[in-house]
Amino acid sequence: RKEVEQDPGPFNVPEGATVAFNCTYSNSASQSFFWYRQDCRKEPKLLMSVYSSGNEDGRFTAQLNRASQYISLLIRDSKLSDSATYLCVVNFGHTGFQKLVFGTGTRLLVSP
Amino acid sequence: SQTIHQWPATLVQPVGSPLSLECTVEGTSNPNLYWYRQAAGRGLQLLFYSVGIGQISSEVPQNLSASRPQDRQFILSSKKLLLSDSGFYLCAWSVPAAGNTIYFGEGSWLTVV
Repeated sequence: RKEVEQDPGPFNVPEGATVAFNCTYSNSASQSFFWYRQDCRKEPKLLMSVYSSGNEDGRFTAQLNRASQYISLLIRDSKLSDSATYLCVVNFGHTGFQKLVFGTGTRLLVSP
Repeated sequence: SQTIHQWPATLVQPVGSPLSLECTVEGTSNPNLYWYRQAAGRGLQLLFYSVGIGQISSEVPQNLSASRPQDRQFILSSKKLLLSDSGFYLCAWSVPAAGNTIYFGEGSWLTVV
């Protein structure tokens, strides 16, 4: 089993649609989780952390299911500018040190 | 505010040539520093990390080495490049006191020919 696994997509959605991505991870001891966004040929940028109780940032909602070892990202009211690759990231490290393991990413294409 | 600078942005190197990528962080002290590589169609792979000057940990056996001569400087090197070293190299930093979120530099595109 891969350490962090994502559906590579692409997910093709029209503007205004709601889209969700899931990600599974193998390390049940992991304590921190993130979603990063990566535009073509650019560095990844932090989109949001994922908290146990779930969290929302504007149109973006992240959820964590520890029992099933998966996290999700929901994007509401998709914009053209949301087109990017979304990386699921899990910390396999220990306190004070981040050993982030990245999924290969899910590509999102939002069309007019 | 903290910033990270990485260079060169792009380079094309022949097989067997040396490599040096440099990264500096500004606006913070004693950061954790990282080198990642992203090969075509693959996820980011952690190559090296450092929690302090002169302290380097390697995650995977490879043709590369890293050094941290100063607190906010991280260097990735190779004596002889292989074709398989081609990829997108990213320097990153984090600070435990600031939640340890990792922030990336703009990356260096390396093509070995």
